[in-house]
Amino acid sequence: GAGVSQSPRYKVAKRGQDVALRCDPISGHVSLFWYQQALGQGPEFLTYFQNEAQLDKSGLPSDRFFAERPEGSVSTLKIQRTQQEDSAVYLCASSLGRQITSTDTQYFGPGTRLTVL
Amino acid sequence: LAKTTQPISMDSYEGQEVNITCSHNNIATNDYITWYQQFPSQGPRFIIQGYKTKVTNEVASLFIPADRKSSTLSLPRVSLSDTAVYYCLVGASYNTNAGKSTFGDGTTLTVKP
Repeated sequence: GAGVSQSPRYKVAKRGQDVALRCDPISGHVSLFWYQQALGQGPEFLTYFQNEAQLDKSGLPSDRFFAERPEGSVSTLKIQRTQQEDSAVYLCASSLGRQITSTDTQYFGPGTRLTVL
Repeated sequence: LAKTTQPISMDSYEGQEVNITCSHNNIATNDYITWYQQFPSQGPRFIIQGYKTKVTNEVASLFIPADRKSSTLSLPRVSLSDTAVYYCLVGASYNTNAGKSTFGDGTTLTVKP
């Protein structure tokens, strides 16, 4: 079946602009994650949803970052007033389970590469 | 949340077996060990998961000693297409207490002709 998809794949923004990144998880997957990955580093957790509920947003770097998943499927990560340090790849992942356990595999999308000029 | 330590990089040649070891000294009793692979411009992809002893699938083997303080990912007869970053994770990829990813920076494997 279809995997996790993300759009756009590439986004160039001028400093100060707002951007919206979309994630379409695997159908039926309850859990959804957003990660930020800087060049040469591993993914860093941003936020976690269980269905439409945002259970953890402790990884969001500032109040300029906002994520939603209003109907428990598609999710949007919004970054307001983008800064150059926001330049990174933003990864979305979904997993089937309601509770995150050691055996829950995360399925990742290809990511959106954001470049802020 | 168990911290993991992996080599930053490794080089190999086509056809060789590659072993990447991950240290996780404070692994918890109910933690599993999971390895992901990431190619450039792609998201990480699940390779293998295990709890103890040995697990094998069509892609790799995972060796876990009795004390579970380390694990070794074994890739048999690597090819150029196995060049990627390999991440070792212990426990859940997401931990409600820590709230942070446990991916670390991974091991960059370069396979040469």
